[in-house]
Amino acid sequence: QQQVKQSPQSLIVQKGGISIINCAYENTAFDYFPWYQQFPGKGPALLIAIRPDVSEKKEGRFTISFNKSAKQFSLHIMDSQPGDSATYFCAARDNYGQNFVFGPGTRLSVLP
Amino acid sequence: DSGVTQTPKHLITATGQRVTLRCSPRSGDLSVYWYQQSLDQGLQFLIQYYNGEERAKGNILERFSAQQFPDLHSELNLSSLELGDSALYFCASSLTTRSFTDTQYFGPGTRLTVL
Repeated sequence: QQQVKQSPQSLIVQKGGISIINCAYENTAFDYFPWYQQFPGKGPALLIAIRPDVSEKKEGRFTISFNKSAKQFSLHIMDSQPGDSATYFCAARDNYGQNFVFGPGTRLSVLP
Repeated sequence: DSGVTQTPKHLITATGQRVTLRCSPRSGDLSVYWYQQSLDQGLQFLIQYYNGEERAKGNILERFSAQQFPDLHSELNLSSLELGDSALYFCASSLTTRSFTDTQYFGPGTRLTVL
């Protein structure tokens, strides 16, 4: 119930391509869905976040699509660049503000 | 640089021992969060403090405890260490008490190795 599933585990994309990472959850009490980017040797950094009353949010090349009925959300990275190569984590917060769970992560490699 | 500092950077210790990890939040941030990142369990939320008081509790073992001091720095104490406690421990800070929805700024982490 508290899990967030994430796929794929790893992703290789050519420069300029679109990277798509998918997450799914079961707990309907989740009410906030952020994505984090983590480079090797660094802590995670917030990339973009969405609440379930919105179906899409875009910030620059990064877009979150949210499907409340399917309990799925995804990250799209447009015009992927080698500098985007990192591990991406989706996450979810329960609406009591008492727990915060991460997906297992997706290692993205963007080839030059 | 996120502005969050963690010490030490690396820690090597033996099973059964006790260690303390330290975190200084960004200037002005009142909330501190602790996370564990391991190959087995991924990233896991442990505990949150806001202005000295415990605010939220995740998958924190009873052998682990934390506190936030009046100057807002926080310490995570890990005792009776086991091999499985080997992991990266991250501290994050945010401005207010809005659990997790404020932008969290993560520190560089402390890598704990239990031998």
